[in-house]
Amino acid sequence: GQQVMQIPQYQHVQEGEDFTTYCNSSTTLSNIQWYKQRPGGHPVFLIQLVKSGEVKKQKRLTFQFGEAKKNSSLHITATQTTDVGTYFCAEASGGSYIPTFGRGTSLIVHP
Amino acid sequence: SQTIHQWPATLVQPVGSPLSLECTVEGTSNPNLYWYRQAAGRGLQLLFYSVGIGQISSEVPQNLSASRPQDRQFILSSKKLLLSDSGFYLCAWSRPAGYYNEQFFGPGTRLTVL
Repeated sequence: GQQVMQIPQYQHVQEGEDFTTYCNSSTTLSNIQWYKQRPGGHPVFLIQLVKSGEVKKQKRLTFQFGEAKKNSSLHITATQTTDVGTYFCAEASGGSYIPTFGRGTSLIVHP
Repeated sequence: SQTIHQWPATLVQPVGSPLSLECTVEGTSNPNLYWYRQAAGRGLQLLFYSVGIGQISSEVPQNLSASRPQDRQFILSSKKLLLSDSGFYLCAWSRPAGYYNEQFFGPGTRLTVL
């Protein structure tokens, strides 16, 4: 798998503020996946992006795949306490069995 | 629908004792299966993956081993646990390569080695 760097490692926000996590690679990614892991829980698949420049939305979450397919972002608008958790990006080429996960961004939302 | 089971949910073991964690998947056939370890507050470390019965690939040299005796059963073992084996062990499955291969994770096993 390819190396994916995820930033920031931690992010503290006040409830209602926006949040963004970034996933970057030095090489072109075939696709990008995003997962959420609640505290004490297991990672849960959120979405997969495949096309250059692709943008997908899930309620307050917006996922983007860069035009060069070397970066991706997850943006949460008006965070809520239910958004608390660690968000991971992952690259999993269709021809590879081995996914590559970023180190994750832990979101802490203060009420 | 597909489901993935892992047990036990929590485990406390003394150093030097053996380990056996089991993972089973229902509702799909010929899945790719994975074992991950997650240290507290850290990312996911891929330990083993399997694309078929009896086919195991190791990503990290360690005192752990994995086996896949049946299509939808994946077992993680150790003959002698080390303190450094403590962590959150996650089993996951995905569809065979070539499809949208998102990972579906089990609930995990929290292992504490004392």
